[in-house]
Amino acid sequence: AQRVTQPEKLLSVFKGAPVELKCNYSYSGSPELFWYVQYSRQRLQLLLRHISRESIKGFTADLNKGETSFHLKKPFAQEEDSAMYYCALSGPGQGGKLIFGQGTELSVKP
Amino acid sequence: DTAVSQTPKYLVTQMGNDKSIKCEQNLGHDTMYWYKQDSKKFLKIMFSYNNKELIINETVPNRFSPKSPDKAHLNLHINSLELGDSAVYFCASSALVYTFGSGTRLTVV
Repeated sequence: AQRVTQPEKLLSVFKGAPVELKCNYSYSGSPELFWYVQYSRQRLQLLLRHISRESIKGFTADLNKGETSFHLKKPFAQEEDSAMYYCALSGPGQGGKLIFGQGTELSVKP
Repeated sequence: DTAVSQTPKYLVTQMGNDKSIKCEQNLGHDTMYWYKQDSKKFLKIMFSYNNKELIINETVPNRFSPKSPDKAHLNLHINSLELGDSAVYFCASSALVYTFGSGTRLTVV
């Protein structure tokens, strides 16, 4: 079954603390993995995709095929990072469909 | 210049009514989508069109009918609205990467 799991519904940290948002996936094949961010009442925006291996706004994510994980990390959280974060996958031959995790709400306190 | 634009942004309507949400993209993408974000913020695909052809219909009640008059537009018509249809509906388009619209918050009362 194709599935994306984000085990934490809410993650609350203090400003300057490290952040890790967990994402595990189930897919038979080689999916493409993404992180999307949704700031309060705004559109979803692409944050990262695993094939580009870049760092955006200080966030990084490494695909671990052995553990089928794609955790999102940032060493020092900022208040403006507070948002809803979605992990998603897309598989070949799926018509571009994105399968989303349940989302993790990140709250960064001052 | 908004890349993917949806109208209206908010829609409040009574049960049983019929309503439409419009979506337009100016990115030249071939593929467009509708996603539903429920009250628990869970996002799920509803439909996908590629160059005006339906390619994904994800077990959505047939009260929902997408229409793509050309590859830049994908509208969503909903008949006989029910309370459970209350959600935020996102349009998107993609080439290699998705661009989402800002969403339409539908409230059925």
